[in-house]
Amino acid sequence: DGGITQSPKYLFRKEGQNVTLSCEQNLNHDAMYWYRQDPGQGLRLIYYSQIVNDFQKGDIAEGYSVSREKKESFPLTVTSAQKNPTAFYLCASSKDSSQPQHFGDGTRLSIL
Amino acid sequence: EDQVTQSPEALRLQEGESSSLNCSYTVSGLRGLFWYRQDPGKGPEFLFTLYSAGEEKEKERLKATLTKKESFLHITAPKPEDSATYLCAVQALYNFNKFYFGSGTKLNVKP
Repeated sequence: DGGITQSPKYLFRKEGQNVTLSCEQNLNHDAMYWYRQDPGQGLRLIYYSQIVNDFQKGDIAEGYSVSREKKESFPLTVTSAQKNPTAFYLCASSKDSSQPQHFGDGTRLSIL
Repeated sequence: EDQVTQSPEALRLQEGESSSLNCSYTVSGLRGLFWYRQDPGKGPEFLFTLYSAGEEKEKERLKATLTKKESFLHITAPKPEDSATYLCAVQALYNFNKFYFGSGTKLNVKP
């Protein structure tokens, strides 16, 4: 079955540590997105990519970095510069930016 | 400022008790409005897209409608398995990559 796979499901970060969240899709979608979900708030866009080797900052990109070396993969790195990283991170993809987004099942990041 | 507001924050229904969820929005040019369902610990699952005022979409016990300022998700004779958080998002005309998400309505349907 086609879909979006995020891993790991749970992740713990130590102070000063960078961590990378994986997102892989086999839907042949061009566009991919990273969102952050906090309790009581709407999803907020971190980064998005419309094609391989290109990506743009979303509303809350500070303290995060991404790469898009392959169409299927869009990993997100949460750097030590992100002072409040505890959240539920969601990756999404769409055929193109005019189509609905489809989401993975998220990674929950916590601080040790 | 572009934004999306969903109400109520939480809704408790008895099985079979129909109701509606509201999504009101302000955006400088609406390209589309999207409804998603999210179960605890999971990613949102796409339900509907609405593009123009007066449009309606249906799926099983759910029906989504759109006006120029808001959308409603009507739930007819809900079952316990309809319990979830329902999210609304609007896509702006000026940037197709810009989606504004509401904070959701948490629906609990009791048997």
